[in-house]
Amino acid sequence: GEDVEQSLFLSVREGDSSVINCTYTDSSSTYLYWYKQEPGAGLQLLTYIFSNMDMKQDQRLTVLLNKKDKHLSLRIADTQTGDSAIYFCAERRAGKLIFGQGTTLQVKP
Amino acid sequence: DAGVIQSPRHEVTEMGQEVTLRCKPISGHDYLFWYRQTMMRGLELLIYFNNNVPIDDSGMPEDRFSAKMPNASFSTLKIQPSEPRDSAVYFCASSNVRAGEQYFGPGTRLTVT
Repeated sequence: GEDVEQSLFLSVREGDSSVINCTYTDSSSTYLYWYKQEPGAGLQLLTYIFSNMDMKQDQRLTVLLNKKDKHLSLRIADTQTGDSAIYFCAERRAGKLIFGQGTTLQVKP
Repeated sequence: DAGVIQSPRHEVTEMGQEVTLRCKPISGHDYLFWYRQTMMRGLELLIYFNNNVPIDDSGMPEDRFSAKMPNASFSTLKIQPSEPRDSAVYFCASSNVRAGEQYFGPGTRLTVT
């Protein structure tokens, strides 16, 4: 399909790891992005990965890229209540960023 | 850096009125994007500019919507006349790389009654 797809909701307990998954569409996409949106705020760039990489780690965040399956994931270690937000993946395509519909992460204390 | 600035943060207006949303991009960024976010349709790209020139307006819903960028530090999105279905959060974002990482403003929540 033409859409970037994400599951809509994920609930985890504080201290657990969270894994948010995304399927993108264009195998030639050079960059893939993860954004975070807190209530009432704009989207905040969290991290990005270049398509020639399989993994990128940045503190508690780990991005995994499977180009063969066009699958991207974001792992948040030791999830905190402050991580509760909507997470968007996006691919660079035809001069634009194409966003998924967002995954709402709920962190229970 | 102050980040992307949008005004107003909230706008409530009656159907048929003109609405103007404003955006100041990050200094030095030469790409500016307008998005609309709704529960039903998610995040939609409306239009984007490069060096103040509109590059792709294919996402603008209809002729009631118009956007301008008179200089590198200011852009407007205008809806005339507004309709209840225009109610949404409108985001402005800027970038210094074509389709690269974009930095979003806080958004304008528009309610048309």
